[in-house]
Amino acid sequence: DGGITQSPKYLFRKEGQNVTLSCEQNLNHDAMYWYRQDPGQGLRLIYYSQIVNDFQKGDIAEGYSVSREKKESFPLTVTSAQKNPTAFYLCASSIDGGGSSTDTQYFGPGTRLTVL
Amino acid sequence: AQSVTQLGSHVSVSEGALVLLRCNYSSSVPPYLFWYVQYPNQGLQLLLKYTSAATLVKGINGFEAEFKKSETSFHLTKPSAHMSDAAEYFCAVSGVAGNMLTFGGGTRLMVKP
Repeated sequence: DGGITQSPKYLFRKEGQNVTLSCEQNLNHDAMYWYRQDPGQGLRLIYYSQIVNDFQKGDIAEGYSVSREKKESFPLTVTSAQKNPTAFYLCASSIDGGGSSTDTQYFGPGTRLTVL
Repeated sequence: AQSVTQLGSHVSVSEGALVLLRCNYSSSVPPYLFWYVQYPNQGLQLLLKYTSAATLVKGINGFEAEFKKSETSFHLTKPSAHMSDAAEYFCAVSGVAGNMLTFGGGTRLMVKP
C-alpha cells in the first residue's frame, strides 16, 4: 500500500529544544516537500528536494533544516531559532518536481507541533 | 509571481444545496490548477486538477471545476452537498517554477442538516 507517512502525529516541545519530524514515502517519487500550515494562511513552503543529497529553501526556511540522504526520507528539523514553531506540518511528494502535467503533489497526514 | 485568492474563508450551505467555492489566480504563465480537500487533523487529498486538457474538470466525490481564462478563475462546484463534504478546501496554482505550488488561504465548508 503506497503512500506517505509522517510521525509522530502530535509532538510537544519545550522552548529552546530542536525537534525532528519524520517523513517517509514509498511511492518512488524523486521530489519531496515540507509545508507549514497556520489557521487562515493556507500552506507555506519551507523546503523542497528534487533529488537525493540536494534541497532548496522555500518561502519560510528560516529556523528550519532538512536532509535528503535517501530517496524515501526527508526529515525536517525545527530548530530553536524558529520564533513561532507551533503549527501543523505537512510533507508531500511528487514524481520529479519538474512541473509537468503529471507531476502532482501528494500529501502525508501531517504532524501537529506544539511548543510549551 | 503567482498568487491565489479564495473568496470567503467560511461557506455554509444546507444539505442538498449547490456548493460553490471560489478561486481566482494570477500567473505569468499558463497555469496548472488544483483543488485539495482537508478533513480535520489530516493531510490534503487531491480533488481534481486542471492541466489544459479540458476546461471542465471532474474530480472525486462529485466535485467539478471550470477553468475560465478570461476571468482567471477556477471555481469548485458540487450540485448537491452532503454532510460528509464538510471540510476545508484549498485552491492551488503551479507553473512558474517547476512544481512549486502556491496555495490560497482555504475555505471552510459547513453543511447544515
